[in-house]
Amino acid sequence: GAGVSQSPRYKVAKRGQDVALRCDPISGHVSLFWYQQALGQGPEFLTYFQNEAQLDKSGLPSDRFFAERPEGSVSTLKIQRTQQEDSAVYLCASSQERVRPLNEQFFGPGTRLTVL
Amino acid sequence: DQQVKQNSPSLSVQEGRISILNCDYTNSMFDYFLWYKKYPAEGPTFLISISSIKDKNEDGRFTVFLNKSAKHLSLHIVPSQPGDSAVYFCAATRGSGSARQLTFGSGTQLTVLP
Repeated sequence: GAGVSQSPRYKVAKRGQDVALRCDPISGHVSLFWYQQALGQGPEFLTYFQNEAQLDKSGLPSDRFFAERPEGSVSTLKIQRTQQEDSAVYLCASSQERVRPLNEQFFGPGTRLTVL
Repeated sequence: DQQVKQNSPSLSVQEGRISILNCDYTNSMFDYFLWYKKYPAEGPTFLISISSIKDKNEDGRFTVFLNKSAKHLSLHIVPSQPGDSAVYFCAATRGSGSARQLTFGSGTQLTVLP
């Protein structure tokens, strides 16, 4: 079956531009997570949705970052007025609820954002 | 302040031998631990996990050991195969509820030499 897909796979933006990154989770998955992975580091949590509700956005680094999941399936991560420090791979993950192993999150391939 | 640490950025092992990847954590509230494997240009893939109520979990060639008193876990791969060459991330999570954010280490690049 289809896994988590993300688009675009690569994005180059000029500093100050707005970008939108899309995530298509596995069909039927209730939970959706966004992570940011800087070069040479592990993924870092940004935000979490349960269906359309954004239950945790504590990891968003600034108010330039905004995420939505209006119909409880596809999610978009938007970054306004991009800065060079926003350059990273943005990973989306989805998971079911109450299944074993607990918290198995399925990751997409990521979007590599480069801000010039 | 890194709550999950993987102090070895890289590890090389001969095919057929054991690979041991280590991970330390500082947050005593973590109650579930996972290992993910990542190939270039792909997202991380779940490998194996362990609950804090256990000290060992085994799945085929992969075994994870948890030492809660030392806040240390390790992943053993026996025997190692060239296809195991990838970056391995240790991750931890805490709290109640069925879906929780993961805190990752910085990863260890494993190279299995034929």
